[in-house]
Amino acid sequence: NAGVMQNPRHLVRRRGQEARLRCSPMKGHSHVYWYRQLPEEGLKFMVYLQKENIIDESGMPKERFSAEFPKEGPSILRIQQVVRGDSAAYFCASSPRQGAIDEQFFGPGTRLTVL
Amino acid sequence: GDSVTQMEGPVTLSEEAFLTINCTYTATGYPSLFWYVQYPGEGLQLLLKATKADDKGSNKGFEATYRKETTSFHLEKGSVQVSDSAVYFCALSLSSGGYQKVTFGTGTKLQVIP
Repeated sequence: NAGVMQNPRHLVRRRGQEARLRCSPMKGHSHVYWYRQLPEEGLKFMVYLQKENIIDESGMPKERFSAEFPKEGPSILRIQQVVRGDSAAYFCASSPRQGAIDEQFFGPGTRLTVL
Repeated sequence: GDSVTQMEGPVTLSEEAFLTINCTYTATGYPSLFWYVQYPGEGLQLLLKATKADDKGSNKGFEATYRKETTSFHLEKGSVQVSDSAVYFCALSLSSGGYQKVTFGTGTKLQVIP
């Protein structure tokens, strides 16, 4: 059973470009969570999605950031018009149900560098 | 708001040395507490957890005790190995809107040298 997959593992973008980060949850998992880790900081919750629904986006910046988890395919975290401050590691996690944190399985992360 | 503070790294130890990584928390409610480990190039893995005061979580020789009076959850291991080299994250979770939101510390890098 493959774990949570994230790609790309490393992404380099110039200021003003768009960044698309993909997360494929574990098989049978329909809940996805995105976290961001800025340099020298802990992981911060961004958004929680179920298939085709955004459940909680309280940690998402109000502008330029969006997330989706379509019926088919991976979850996508999209950052438009990237700025240097978006440089960070972005982690996703998936779980089979809503509930306990210890059922969340993490992917290896995508390191975004904005030049 | 809720927060987790853990000791800064990197922590460098010789093999078989005793390990302590300090973690303290601030929370508005009664959180569950966790330690996660991240090996190079991999995602975070749950190492151990404790859900109420005085509970001791343990796994792979690591232990941590939920201390409500000192709001702490320090990670310990009696004898570290080179294979324990990784980044360790302390975290808390609280129920919010029917599911658990997690707050992580900044992580502590552990390097164990032979």
